Amino acid sequence: GQSLEQPSEVTAVEGAIVQINCTYQTSGFYGLSWYQQHDGGAPTFLSYNALDGLEETGRFSSFLSRSDSYGYLLLQELQMKDSASYFCAVRDRGIKAAGNKLTFGGGTRVLVKP
Amino acid sequence: NAGVTQTPKFQVLKTGQSMTLQCAQDMNHEYMSWYRQDPGMGLRLIHYSVGAGITDQGEVPNGYNVSRSTTEDFPLRLLSAAPSQTSVYFCASSHTGGATYEQYFGPGTRLTVT
Repeated sequence: GQSLEQPSEVTAVEGAIVQINCTYQTSGFYGLSWYQQHDGGAPTFLSYNALDGLEETGRFSSFLSRSDSYGYLLLQELQMKDSASYFCAVRDRGIKAAGNKLTFGGGTRVLVKP
Repeated sequence: NAGVTQTPKFQVLKTGQSMTLQCAQDMNHEYMSWYRQDPGMGLRLIHYSVGAGITDQGEVPNGYNVSRSTTEDFPLRLLSAAPSQTSVYFCASSHTGGATYEQYFGPGTRLTVT
């Protein structure tokens, strides 16, 4: 099975930097994804890491260390609109090795204050 | 493109009733999945499919059935509703390959079982 751990809540001010850590234990691992979800909304994709290292997309970056079973999402230059829940998710291929099966962590609620 | 659509948006059931949650996508995605999200929690995988006629169980399949007769549609059937099935249900789809394995989520169905 899979299990993922991430902090439940983080509070920061506008303009600050926030790092959300995610540690995982898996029986099969093909990559780590991050999703954002605003209250009342659907999750939306932010990033995916299959290999070790840092992936940068604008103000958001994601890091993976496969040997440490660890990743993080870095949110820079925080804006009020970044107040949301952020989920890490481990990908394995599922049946017929043809899928995109995700197991999600419990989520980190980020509150951005003025 | 409409993306991923779900109906209904809201539903109230009495214990023991059955119903089908509808999900459709117009992106020709091979992979489709159903998640449930309880308040303040992450998403838990119920069932998933890697193509027409191919489905498998996720983390919490009990009380739910699925079938996939077309690429576009992936309905979720609640056999005999229980209060423990009160939740928000999200359908998602993606290609089975690609660089990011991004999953696209529908807007969700908010189900209350009394």
